Amino acid sequence: GDSVTQMEGPVTLSEEAFLTINCTYTATGYPSLFWYVQYPGEGLQLLLKATKADDKGSNKGFEATYRKETTSFHLEKGSVQVSDSAVYFCAPPDLFGNEKLTFGTGTRLTIIP
Amino acid sequence: DADVTQTPRNRITKTGKRIMLECSQTKGHDRMYWYRQDPGLGLRLIYYSFDVKDINKGEISDGYSVSRQAQAKFSLSLESAIPNQTALYFCATSEWTSGHTDTQYFGPGTRLTVL
Repeated sequence: GDSVTQMEGPVTLSEEAFLTINCTYTATGYPSLFWYVQYPGEGLQLLLKATKADDKGSNKGFEATYRKETTSFHLEKGSVQVSDSAVYFCAPPDLFGNEKLTFGTGTRLTIIP
Repeated sequence: DADVTQTPRNRITKTGKRIMLECSQTKGHDRMYWYRQDPGLGLRLIYYSFDVKDINKGEISDGYSVSRQAQAKFSLSLESAIPNQTALYFCATSEWTSGHTDTQYFGPGTRLTVL
């Protein structure tokens, strides 16, 4: 069935460091792919998405490119800030036909000043 | 006003009690979901509903039931709460766009503690 594999955390970086959080997927067809972020004490919210192969989603300085050839959707940011400290989730592909869908544990990111 | 609201936001109850968590949305979405989040286990799907007449079990439905009273309302019930149901519960909604699940919109969560 469809699934994602996301880099385990936690990840700790210094402010202004470069960030990569890896995410690979298996899916039938070419679903939209999503990254969500959960700030402390809040629910998940969409960070960015890409709806087709080679699309690049971007928001708040974060980027991810939907790469069909490597089935990847890695999250990157060139210079992280303390305010980026949160848990990041690579969302699984479409629910259709997959009742065992789960977001998994996410990757906890901590940025040190 | 928030698009997806959950009540209550916090609840402490005792083993064996019946509990209902409620979710309402103003986004007009047909699809609604209930998740629970546990430290170290992540976010797992309990139930989901594609419309008022279509309700499906998720990964961890045992011990839970749901009711889709209207397009805007999706309730989660614990018929007889047990301590290992202590968790953070999230409701979410989404559209169905071009044959795929689109962005999910999450509520603020309900922190449930079962003593």
